[in-house]
Amino acid sequence: EAGVVQSPRYKIIEKKQPVAFWCNPISGHNTLYWYRQNLGQGPELLIRYENEEAVDDSQLPKDRFSAERLKGVDSTLKIQPAELGDSAVYLCASSTDSYEQYFGPGTRLTVT
Amino acid sequence: SQKIEQNSEALNIQEGKTATLTCNYTNYSPAYLQWYRQDPGRGPVFLLLIRENEKEKRKERLKVTFDTTLKQSLFHITASQPADSATYLCAPGSARQLTFGSGTQLTVLP
Repeated sequence: EAGVVQSPRYKIIEKKQPVAFWCNPISGHNTLYWYRQNLGQGPELLIRYENEEAVDDSQLPKDRFSAERLKGVDSTLKIQPAELGDSAVYLCASSTDSYEQYFGPGTRLTVT
Repeated sequence: SQKIEQNSEALNIQEGKTATLTCNYTNYSPAYLQWYRQDPGRGPVFLLLIRENEKEKRKERLKVTFDTTLKQSLFHITASQPADSATYLCAPGSARQLTFGSGTQLTVLP
């Protein structure tokens, strides 16, 4: 069984530029999460999807961040415009009706 | 607000010994608690889940306890090996939502 796939693995952009991250969850997993992880910290939830519905986006900075999950499968997280403080690892995870989450390798974003 | 504290940022132990990691939480009543392992440059990997009505859970060399009165979970690795060196994350949860601690970096010395 293939794991959670994320791309790109690394991204370097200048501030004020847009950036997008893509996630393909494990087949059959209806719940999808986007997290942000800063160095030395645990992952912080940005948004959770149940199928194609965003059920918790309270921690998503909506002025510059947006996300979508079309057809309840793949998901895209976008930042526009990026700021220096957005430098972090962006993790995607998926789960089924059980509670354990399966994480992708993450995208390391550097904003210069 | 919820607060998750994991014991010292780094823990060094000798191979063969038992590693004990601590997770304390406040302002929170989780229905369950999970532990994850994270290696550098990789996403977290699920290890164990323990529910609020369970006192202890075991899986191979791993053991987790959950004390809802103390608001604490202990994570034990017995007969530790250098391959166990990683960062371990505690994550209390409810309704399919997790709050992660900042992790404890474990180094097992040969």
